[in-house]
Amino acid sequence: GAGVSQTPSNKVTEKGKYVELRCDPISGHTALYWYRQSLGQGPEFLIYFQGTGAADDSGLPNDRFFAVRPEGSVSTLKIQRTERGDSAVYLCASSWGSGANVLTFGAGSRLTVL
Amino acid sequence: KNEVEQSPQNLTAQEGEFITINCSYSVGISALHWLQQHPGGGIVSLFMLSSGKKKHGRLIATINIQEKHSSLHITASHPRDSAVYICAVSRGRGATNKLIFGTGTLLAVQP
Repeated sequence: GAGVSQTPSNKVTEKGKYVELRCDPISGHTALYWYRQSLGQGPEFLIYFQGTGAADDSGLPNDRFFAVRPEGSVSTLKIQRTERGDSAVYLCASSWGSGANVLTFGAGSRLTVL
Repeated sequence: KNEVEQSPQNLTAQEGEFITINCSYSVGISALHWLQQHPGGGIVSLFMLSSGKKKHGRLIATINIQEKHSSLHITASHPRDSAVYICAVSRGRGATNKLIFGTGTLLAVQP
């Protein structure tokens, strides 16, 4: 696609529910990143994929968070047993190759846990 | 202390003014990114640089690796430049885009 597409743009859920957030990166971008931005803060790294594999998942806050990228393109961030503290904007970004390259960000998925 | 610090946190300018936003970092980096985020909007990459200076339109970014400092300049500022400007670094040699972000500078340009 022309840009990085994230769905849904907004998600409101109840505490304890399961949530999936989807990211469709720019076609051909092998690197895909998930970041989380809480209100008034800068984004924080969650996980990085190079192709299909999670090259670095050190930013995932706990085992309720999981992400996949089975075909090396679309990625899904999965959050189990959501908590109010999970409320944030979840940003996806993609870039060429494995090095430090120009990133293209999606518009984000705003998650609100009631 | 944050590994990436920006100043000022808030900046108000009159249309036409020359604007400078500063970024200092305390870790070794392979690249530094300047990003723009409009209120309620997505993040747009403005520059990625590892040395010297880059220019795009009215925007100029410089970096001094020895001093671990970068500046973003906006010439002839315009109200549409109002946004949050974020400095972020790719840590280490040959590192990925696992970025460490600064807290951002909120710029308001008044007509």
